[in-house]
Amino acid sequence: QVQLQESGPGLVKPSGTLSLTCAVSGGSISSSNWWSWIRQPPGKGLEWIGEIYHSGSTNYNPSLKSRVTISVDKSKNQFSLKLSSVTAADTAVYYCARNSAGPDYYYYMDVWGKGTTVTVSS
Amino acid sequence: EIVMTQSPATLSVSPGERATLSCRASQSVSSNLAWYQQKPGQAPRLLIYGASTRATGIPARFSGSGSGTEFTLTISSLQSEDFAVYYCQQYNNWWTFGQGTKVEIK
Repeated sequence: QVQLQESGPGLVKPSGTLSLTCAVSGGSISSSNWWSWIRQPPGKGLEWIGEIYHSGSTNYNPSLKSRVTISVDKSKNQFSLKLSSVTAADTAVYYCARNSAGPDYYYYMDVWGKGTTVTVSS
Repeated sequence: EIVMTQSPATLSVSPGERATLSCRASQSVSSNLAWYQQKPGQAPRLLIYGASTRATGIPARFSGSGSGTEFTLTISSLQSEDFAVYYCQQYNNWWTFGQGTKVEIK
């Protein structure tokens, strides 16, 4: 079955750029799914960051849109997240997930990576 | 933005008892509502989508109901492995989550 694995630096300096990659295994990133990034600050809830389709089409959370870029690399079967101008408020566990839809076009996230912790600190 | 509000924030329940969790949307999301379970140190796990359809492998003690703006997740008889945080999530133009309900042992 499809598995997702996040990777990237665990520590980023303030004002820098956070860069993460999500590797897709057991399936193709070119399937009829969108792929999302979600984050969770320590002790807090979940926040959707954005999503991408294998064609390169993207949608972003309006609150983060000015700082976020999500891209796809079909040759490597992975997608990536860049978040610029980070502050301590961007410290969180970052998850990647697969978006799916049921027969009635009700949408959900059915496969999640284990998450990777990113700390913003000097 | 559609705001999802969950209640209560914490629910104390004894094993074997029924748990009822609520989720309210600030505007109608039809039945585009999912529920997730998250245990400490783990990623969320999909429980319910389309407001009432159980995901693959989810036990029948989990059930979802509602449409429009009011939704409920019911766990009919709590097992030890069900103590966790539960999130509702909607998809309209984009995705938003509720703030979560923690189900703890009474």
